[in-house]
Amino acid sequence: AQSVTQLGSHVSVSEGALVLLRCNYSSSVPPYLFWYVQYPNQGLQLLLKYTTGATLVKGINGFEAEFKKSETSFHLTKPSAHMSDAAEYFCAVRTAPSSGDKLTFGTGTRLAVRP
Amino acid sequence: NAGVTQTPKFQVLKTGQSMTLQCAQDMNHNSMYWYRQDPGMGLRLIYYSASEGTTDKGEVPNGYNVSRLNKREFSLRLESAAPSQTSVYFCASSLTSGGTQETQYFGPGTRLLVL
Repeated sequence: AQSVTQLGSHVSVSEGALVLLRCNYSSSVPPYLFWYVQYPNQGLQLLLKYTTGATLVKGINGFEAEFKKSETSFHLTKPSAHMSDAAEYFCAVRTAPSSGDKLTFGTGTRLAVRP
Repeated sequence: NAGVTQTPKFQVLKTGQSMTLQCAQDMNHNSMYWYRQDPGMGLRLIYYSASEGTTDKGEVPNGYNVSRLNKREFSLRLESAAPSQTSVYFCASSLTSGGTQETQYFGPGTRLLVL
């Protein structure tokens, strides 16, 4: 079965500092991995996804993530945090190849950005 | 193009009452999903519909029923609400469900409180 672990339910950074949100996955098949962002009182929005090919994936709003098979990780980074990045971030893995687009989500990391 | 819409936005129920959460998408997507979001637990899949006319259970289906009314609409019904069903419910859709890596698009959510 596929699963996702997000280390740190809350992360706080200063504006302009590096953002690093951690995600480790478990998958019995080549994983498809996703990062979603949820702003307050809104639905989830796709930030970026890894399916095949280049292991460094760039997303919206300056975020990127690197797929590291040897470490079973897909950490999300942004070089310089902005106040508008304050949100909850979810890592997700495709549940199984036979189940189409079903996803298994992590428990989320809430990012706070200090002025 | 409204994307994924959900009604109602908020609802308060008494234990034992029934209600239906409505979801519609205008993106001509084949697959639709219902999730619940609870603090510290991320998103958990309740039911999904890979295509019009089919529905399948997800991770937490007990206490819920669904209807894929047509390609656009996917409703979630609580026959006899319980306080444990207090949650935020999200509907999502994706273009296909055939082992691809399609993005899921989320609605704004329905906040449900069961007293």
